[in-house]
Amino acid sequence: QKEVEQDPGPLSVPEGAIVSLNCTYSNSAFQYFMWYRQYSRKGPELLMYTYSSGNKEDGRFTAQVDKSSKYISLFIRDSQPSDSATYLCAMRFSGNTPLVFGKGTRLSVIA
Amino acid sequence: EAGVVQSPRYKIIEKKQPVAFWCNPISGHNTLYWYRQNLGQGPELLIRYENEEAVDDSQLPKDRFSAERLKGVDSTLKIQPAELGDSAVYLCASSLESSEKLFFGSGTQLSVL
Repeated sequence: QKEVEQDPGPLSVPEGAIVSLNCTYSNSAFQYFMWYRQYSRKGPELLMYTYSSGNKEDGRFTAQVDKSSKYISLFIRDSQPSDSATYLCAMRFSGNTPLVFGKGTRLSVIA
Repeated sequence: EAGVVQSPRYKIIEKKQPVAFWCNPISGHNTLYWYRQNLGQGPELLIRYENEEAVDDSQLPKDRFSAERLKGVDSTLKIQPAELGDSAVYLCASSLESSEKLFFGSGTQLSVL
């Protein structure tokens, strides 16, 4: 079992839909949780960064962390074609430890 | 402000040839990372530098890979000799010394034929 599991998709939704992207993890020692967006032929770009359980909202994006279930989610409201990309979850332990990434979920938003 | 700059963007070489990648991090970022991303996978850390010092290189295949970060700014990652399995995107990232927020470059896509 990999430390971080993420459904690779692809996920295809119509414009305006609410998108839910998820990751599960096996090590309860992970403390910091991130979501990165990666467009084709580009590097990952940090979207959301959270530390504790609960929700964090930024515009159309909401990140949710449930440490008791070892489950994190990213919600995208009113999805746009420009949201079409691969979304990578990432997490790390406390201290200066490396990020562990999921495989990424490929999202297509159809106009 | 310029982001993380990497070159070249693409590189095609034959197996057993050497190859080098260059990275210029965001100004003021002391921590520099090299990641490898295989197709359909998330990035995996190869090496992390704090200024000039490599503080985590446990995942770097040291028989063929080497890296350096002269003067604590630019960095070079080298593969010699390259193997078919080295085909991947090599990403450089940087962060402030105590920040968990990594900023990535666009990567170098390596194809080994």
